[in-house]
Amino acid sequence: AQKVTQAQTEISVVEKEDVTLDCVYETRDTTYYLFWYKQPPSGELVFLIRRNSFDEQNEISGRYSWNFQKSTSSFNFTITASQVVDSAVYFCALKGSTLGRLYFGRGTQLTVWP
Amino acid sequence: KAGVTQTPRYLIKTRGQQVTLSCSPISGHRSVSWYQQTPGQGLQFLFEYFSETQRNKGNFPGRFSGRQFSNSRSEMNVSTLELGDSALYLCASSLVVGGQGADEQFFGPGTRLTVL
Repeated sequence: AQKVTQAQTEISVVEKEDVTLDCVYETRDTTYYLFWYKQPPSGELVFLIRRNSFDEQNEISGRYSWNFQKSTSSFNFTITASQVVDSAVYFCALKGSTLGRLYFGRGTQLTVWP
Repeated sequence: KAGVTQTPRYLIKTRGQQVTLSCSPISGHRSVSWYQQTPGQGLQFLFEYFSETQRNKGNFPGRFSGRQFSNSRSEMNVSTLELGDSALYLCASSLVVGGQGADEQFFGPGTRLTVL
């Protein structure tokens, strides 16, 4: 069975603080894919990153960075120097190797105050 | 390149009616997936279509159905609407290189359905 857990329901920070969103997953597939999406108030899910199970390299994109650790089944997302525009719901998702279905966590509502 | 488009954006129906939602994928994308998002259940997978064939289905009753056309556009239909069907319905498309599902899914803005 595939499962994604985002234990943090809501996080509030003040602008310029760093914030880490946690994601823990469960899967029996040996090959799988992990994703992060951002959902602003408009409702559209915006793709942020995909990580393959065989590639544990961490990734940095501007103020965003992702830490993938297979040993702890975690795929955490850090925003450095947060900004008000980062306020949104962030979803972590998992996809198995053969079918296109995404399994989503419940999401983390991030609020960045000016 | 245009993104995923969904029509209509908002819909209000009454119990017992049926509704059809439409999704146009990104040009060249052959896979279309549908998801239902509610505050109580979160994001739940409905079904996935690839080359006009449903290849994966979530755990929803038979009132929820879909199809995909030869141009990859997709529709989903909900018959005999219930109050609990009120939700944001999201469509996603992906390229699917090599027939596998490794590609990222790009989402449309969604259709917000309200059932009264």
